[in-house]
Amino acid sequence: KQEVTQIPAALSVPEGENLVLNCSFTDSAIYNLQWFRQDPGKGLTSLLLIQSSQREQTSGRLNASLDKSSGRSTLYIAASQPGDSATYLCAGGRGSTLGRLYFGRGTQLTVWP
Amino acid sequence: GAGVSQSPSNKVTEKGKDVELRCDPISGHTALYWYRQRLGQGLEFLIYFQGNSAPDKSGLPSDRFSAERTGESVSTLTIQRTQQEDSAVYLCASSFGSGGANEQFFGPGTRLTVL
Repeated sequence: KQEVTQIPAALSVPEGENLVLNCSFTDSAIYNLQWFRQDPGKGLTSLLLIQSSQREQTSGRLNASLDKSSGRSTLYIAASQPGDSATYLCAGGRGSTLGRLYFGRGTQLTVWP
Repeated sequence: GAGVSQSPSNKVTEKGKDVELRCDPISGHTALYWYRQRLGQGLEFLIYFQGNSAPDKSGLPSDRFSAERTGESVSTLTIQRTQQEDSAVYLCASSFGSGGANEQFFGPGTRLTVL
């Protein structure tokens, strides 16, 4: 069974800091990985998708990497802003024929001015 | 274009009643997924539809749960004889292609409360 761990569970930082959120899978056979943010009472917003042939993806101040050999992913947030405050979830897919994603419990991020 | 939509946004029901939740995927998306998120927990996979293939029902927690999808459009998740442990946010997602190679887009969810 695939277990997904996200560290830290919660993070509170002042505005402007660079952040690293970590995600690890017990089964390293990850085919692809997706990072989401979830705002309170809302659904999930897709941030980045790392497909099977890729090792990292960048979007604006966000950069995500995936090390398939170890089953670990990192989300890097540069120059954090209060608007980045949310819960960040990582989710992995196990194969191109299996649609489900395995989710971690998330990192709750608070960026204060 | 429009994103994934779900209805109702909130549903309060009494224990033992049946409920039906609806999901409208993004137009053209062949894959549709249902997950649920209990308070303080991670997302749990429930069921996955891909085109005309048999759905992957491996995540349904009991035979009280069922889901249908009409072609490549609307899906309904039905929970019969609801129990208090069914209280959760039920999230629907869709993706353009098959399997895990495609980005999943989520709807806002239906918050189900069973009294």
